[in-house]
Amino acid sequence: DTAVSQTPKYLVTQMGNDKSIKCEQNLGHDTMYWYKQDSKKFLKIMFSYNNKELIINETVPNRFSPKSPDKAHLNLHINSLELGDSAVYFCASSQDRQAHEQYFGPGTRLTVT
Amino acid sequence: LAKTTQPISMDSYEGQEVNITCSHNNIATNDYITWYQQFPSQGPRFIIQGYKTKVTNEVASLFIPADRKSSTLSLPRVSLSDTAVYYCLVGDSAYNTDKLIFGTGTRLQVFP
Repeated sequence: DTAVSQTPKYLVTQMGNDKSIKCEQNLGHDTMYWYKQDSKKFLKIMFSYNNKELIINETVPNRFSPKSPDKAHLNLHINSLELGDSAVYFCASSQDRQAHEQYFGPGTRLTVT
Repeated sequence: LAKTTQPISMDSYEGQEVNITCSHNNIATNDYITWYQQFPSQGPRFIIQGYKTKVTNEVASLFIPADRKSSTLSLPRVSLSDTAVYYCLVGDSAYNTDKLIFGTGTRLQVFP
């Protein structure tokens, strides 16, 4: 069984469009995250979400917004896509905010043309 | 920017022990040291975590000296399947999102 899953795996879209990436975890974890891995392979956290409490990395543009319909899901919505948004986006989860062991999804490669 | 420094790459042969060192001179009292492994086109996978001295699990060992300004991930008897990028992270919790930054990591290449 897949612990953390993401859809789609690949996403190609044009500048200015709005898109969403879905994430689901079946581990019963309380905390979920979104990361962005750029072309230089730096992997940087974008959001941390726990029990309706959202921690935002201040460097993330407000075009990005996480939405959590329930504890097992944390979707990422991106408005007005830009070329610089092209990257691989990873969803992850951990048992709680204090847990350091995070489980990552397979990633979504977003290409903005 | 990442608070850790690691070698960019390392080469090894199958069956050898590999030690990857991470420098974290500004580690805080509450910070833990965590290592992840990432294969191409996959998300990072947790390997091991420690606070001080030595931690060992079925996959690796983590050595942390008394001053905690560095740590060493030890992979015993590597195989071809250990070829991956290894990341060292230092942080205390997800509340401090600025600490949860994976650097460029160490690209380990294992040869037959």
